[in-house]
Amino acid sequence: DVKVTQSSRYLVKRTGEKVFLECVQDMDHENMFWYRQDPGLGLRLIYFSYDVKMKEKGDIPEGYSVSREKKERFSLILESASTNQTSMYLCASSSKLSGGAYGYTFGSGTRLTVV
Amino acid sequence: SQKIEQNSEALNIQEGKTATLTCNYTNYSPAYLQWYRQDPGRGPVFLLLIRENEKEKRKERLKVTFDTTLKQSLFHITASQPADSATYLCAPLGSTGGFKTIFGAGTRLFVKA
Repeated sequence: DVKVTQSSRYLVKRTGEKVFLECVQDMDHENMFWYRQDPGLGLRLIYFSYDVKMKEKGDIPEGYSVSREKKERFSLILESASTNQTSMYLCASSSKLSGGAYGYTFGSGTRLTVV
Repeated sequence: SQKIEQNSEALNIQEGKTATLTCNYTNYSPAYLQWYRQDPGRGPVFLLLIRENEKEKRKERLKVTFDTTLKQSLFHITASQPADSATYLCAPLGSTGGFKTIFGAGTRLFVKA
């Protein structure tokens, strides 16, 4: 069964900590994405990557960075966690060739709480 | 700016009835429109996609319509079951295949037995 795996389901971090969220996909997808989801706001795109070592800013990149050293792995980094970054973080991947025809495959999400 | 609107109020229906969810978009001309299901505490799961040149698409008990004139998609679940209770998200995407896909906030569906 194809899958996107996020390293943690729940995470509690302190303000000012550097936080790493890891995502691995086993579908050989070119495109990978990081979203955050907050009640009433839907999914908001933080960063995406369409190839190894390539990254593009989404709609809300401030306070975040990403790393894609290998095709299957896309990491989201919170440089200095703040309480307004408390959220559900979702990683997704898709095939460039399908052009979105098969949708995105999402991970189960990481619920991050910054205290 | 591009905007997607889905009913923020939950939809409550009786088992066996047809559920109809609405997705409206503005300042956008998507080539495709996707629908996802999301259960509490989980990531969204892709259900189906409809292309701009398709008026209607069906998959088992699901039916989606896409009206590019009205800028609207309707998502129907026929013979609904309590297991269909979830949040349903729509996601229009452009012809590039969705590098910056925007998702609606979703509509929560409750199906009562």
